[in-house]
Amino acid sequence: NAGVTQTPKFQVLKTGQSMTLQCAQDMNHNSMYWYRQDPGMGLRLIYYSASEGTTDKGEVPNGYNVSRLNKREFSLRLESAAPSQTSVYFCASSLHRVGEKLFFGSGTQLSVL
Amino acid sequence: GDSVTQMEGPVTLSEEAFLTINCTYTATGYPSLFWYVQYPGEGLQLLLKATKADDKGSNKGFEATYRKETTSFHLEKGSVQVSDSAVYFCALSDRSGNTGKLIFGQGTTLQVKP
Repeated sequence: NAGVTQTPKFQVLKTGQSMTLQCAQDMNHNSMYWYRQDPGMGLRLIYYSASEGTTDKGEVPNGYNVSRLNKREFSLRLESAAPSQTSVYFCASSLHRVGEKLFFGSGTQLSVL
Repeated sequence: GDSVTQMEGPVTLSEEAFLTINCTYTATGYPSLFWYVQYPGEGLQLLLKATKADDKGSNKGFEATYRKETTSFHLEKGSVQVSDSAVYFCALSDRSGNTGKLIFGQGTTLQVKP
């Protein structure tokens, strides 16, 4: 079982460049999430999609956009990368809207120079 | 808003020692509480959860009890192993607006030495 698949695993960008992080889940989950993980700060929610066709801002949405392409896929886009966006990004999914078990991908380590 | 506070790490223990990682929370209403574990180079995995006051979650020898009176959900294990070395995150479900988001603590690194 693949679960939650994220690509790429590593990425280095220059300030101002753009990129899209891809995420797909094969568990028929309704809800999907993007988190960033920074040392000493735990995981902070960037955006989430409670169901197909909806997206909402989380705690730290500035500088990011998302697309829920279909039930399986939820992408995160950095339009103009900044050094403050250097982080590890995790995609996650859950079956229901109301918080239950999250299934996480293995993460994308992004460095912005 | 809702928040989770964990004890500062890193926590370094010898194999077979007793483990406690403290977690306290602030929340409106009655959230569900979770412990997630992150092994090196991997994403987070659910370790255990509790959905109401006085519930005890348990898994792989780890336990945590939902204490509403002290707003706590401390993680314990009687005898740790080297393989338990990981980062542990306490989290609560944000039920405001029925969004189901999880709010995480900052994580506590556990290092177990042989």
